[in-house]
Amino acid sequence: NAGVMQNPRHLVRRRGQEARLRCSPMKGHSHVYWYRQLPEEGLKFMVYLQKENIIDESGMPKERFSAEFPKEGPSILRIQQVVRGDSAAYFCASSMGQGAVYEQYFGPGTRLTVT
Amino acid sequence: KQEVTQIPAALSVPEGENLVLNCSFTDSAIYNLQWFRQDPGKGLTSLLLIQSSQREQTSGRLNASLDKSSGRSTLYIAASQPGDSATYLCASMNYGGSQGNLIFGKGTKLSVKP
Repeated sequence: NAGVMQNPRHLVRRRGQEARLRCSPMKGHSHVYWYRQLPEEGLKFMVYLQKENIIDESGMPKERFSAEFPKEGPSILRIQQVVRGDSAAYFCASSMGQGAVYEQYFGPGTRLTVT
Repeated sequence: KQEVTQIPAALSVPEGENLVLNCSFTDSAIYNLQWFRQDPGKGLTSLLLIQSSQREQTSGRLNASLDKSSGRSTLYIAASQPGDSATYLCASMNYGGSQGNLIFGKGTKLSVKP
């Protein structure tokens, strides 16, 4: 049973380019969460999605960031017009259902570097 | 707003020692508290999850306790080994909202010397 998969593992973008980060949840999981870990900082929640729905985007920056989890395929975190401050590790987690009783399982992360 | 703090930020111990990692939180209205391990350049591995109604959880050499009234959790590692070297994170799941938002501390970086 494969775990949460994220790709690419490392991504380098120049300022102003777009970054697309992909997350495939564990088999049987329909809930996906994105977190960001800035250098020397803890992980911060960004967004929580279910298939075709955004459940909670309270941690998403208001501009340039968007997320989706289509009916088919992986969840995508999109960052438009990247800036140096976007350099971070982005982690995806998945769970079987909604609610605190369902444990979140984390992927290996995508490390974004903006030059 | 929940704040999760982990002290110390870094800890170095000789192999074989028993040790305690601390996690404190400001809002006791939590569903659960979870301890993770993060290896350099890797993702998070869940170690122990304590529901709010529980006092402790054990897995092998690890024991995590939870005291909601004082806003504290501890992770006890017995007979530490070099392979335990990693960053240990605690995270709370709070009441309110979507129940999808884990709130993390910044972690304790543990180094176990052979």
